[in-house]
Amino acid sequence: LAKTTQPISMDSYEGQEVNITCSHNNIATNDYITWYQQFPSQGPRFIIQGYKTKVTNEVASLFIPADRKSSTLSLPRVSLSDTAVYYCLLTTRGSTLGRLYFGRGTQLTVWP
Amino acid sequence: DTGVSQDPRHKITKRGQNVTFRCDPISEHNRLYWYRQTLGQGPEFLTYFQNEAQLEKSRLLSDRFSAERPKGSFSTLEIQRTEQGDSAMYLCASSLGGRFGSYEQYFGPGTRLTVT
Repeated sequence: LAKTTQPISMDSYEGQEVNITCSHNNIATNDYITWYQQFPSQGPRFIIQGYKTKVTNEVASLFIPADRKSSTLSLPRVSLSDTAVYYCLLTTRGSTLGRLYFGRGTQLTVWP
Repeated sequence: DTGVSQDPRHKITKRGQNVTFRCDPISEHNRLYWYRQTLGQGPEFLTYFQNEAQLEKSRLLSDRFSAERPKGSFSTLEIQRTEQGDSAMYLCASSLGGRFGSYEQYFGPGTRLTVT
């Protein structure tokens, strides 16, 4: 499975925009970029998925350049409740394989 | 709340004992997954069911681990002769299958196992 690389940790303050970059140099044509969020003592939660350019939903935006070798998860105006671990994954649509490969993720800490 | 539920939420057992965990997926989801997570690491895949068929097993799933999903509804994960290295959070997830695969999985709260 193609792997991703992301920072181990990031810090921010309330109200700021946070951008978490993920590298995936060996991304395959059929791979999508998928982000999950995990709060302490909870299971991960799907946030957003994209293939190219930009995707936006009510939680976040995902920016993917043309070469798709990296992506950036953008969280607008973070609050204390956004403190969590954020995982960048590559997923293959239509794959019969069930597994998700999570890696270590990025621990985002938001300070007051 | 009709999300994924897991029971028990916490389990403390002595080394060598057997333990069994239960997962109830979202009712219309035909795919069910088990993951294991240790402190500071992301979840690691253990096994995956589509309906009642176990389609994929990780090398992490040693002979002491067995999972079932009778009738394609709830699932159980049993660990026999537990070892201290089995201490972890065991997460269950479910999803819809289909042409777009299973990228959006819904996770339960997990069962935290402590082996003393």
